[in-house]
Amino acid sequence: ELKVEQNPLFLSMQEGKNYTIYCNYSTTSDRLYWYRQDPGKSLESLFVLLSNGAVKQEGRLMASLDTKARLSTLHITAAVHDLSATYFCAVVLKNYGGSQGNLIFGKGTKLSVKP
Amino acid sequence: ETGVTQTPRHLVMGMTNKKSLKCEQHLGHNAMYWYKQSAKKPLELMFVYSLEERVENNSVPSRFSPECPNSSHLFLHLHTLQPEDSALYLCASSQNPGLAGVAQFFGPGTRLTVL
Repeated sequence: ELKVEQNPLFLSMQEGKNYTIYCNYSTTSDRLYWYRQDPGKSLESLFVLLSNGAVKQEGRLMASLDTKARLSTLHITAAVHDLSATYFCAVVLKNYGGSQGNLIFGKGTKLSVKP
Repeated sequence: ETGVTQTPRHLVMGMTNKKSLKCEQHLGHNAMYWYKQSAKKPLELMFVYSLEERVENNSVPSRFSPECPNSSHLFLHLHTLQPEDSALYLCASSQNPGLAGVAQFFGPGTRLTVL
């Protein structure tokens, strides 16, 4: 059974600071996604990471993947209030046929950026 | 209208009622998904439809019955639900889920309360 664990689950940080959210998963997978969810809103795709050592950056967010360690990180640089949201990582669980990519989500990290 | 839409956005129903949730995607995707998001659990995949064929049913109770009449529409028929079924139900769509790098696009969700 594939388990996806995020930490921390809650993160309160000041504007201008840096921080990292971690996502560990329990079995091999070839795809990892990061999503953002604002309160009362839907999930927004942020990054898709496909290979070991993959790094993607968008604005103040940078995501990386280490498939050997089964670990992905989401690094926040110089946080601003607009980044306040819940961030989810999700890992693909392949069916035994390998043809479907069902997503297994972590519990999410609720980020609050304060002035 | 663009993206993934869901109706209704909020639904309150009794345990003996029958209701349906509707999802529509305007992205030209060929796969659609139902997820359940509860307050204290990770996002749970319920059903996957690829090319209008159900390819995944994650041990969901039979009181939830999906229907996918075409690649743009997905329904979730509800009957004799339990209070523990109260949750946010999210619909998503994607291109071929077996392809690497394919992200799922989520609708805004239906907030369901079962009394």
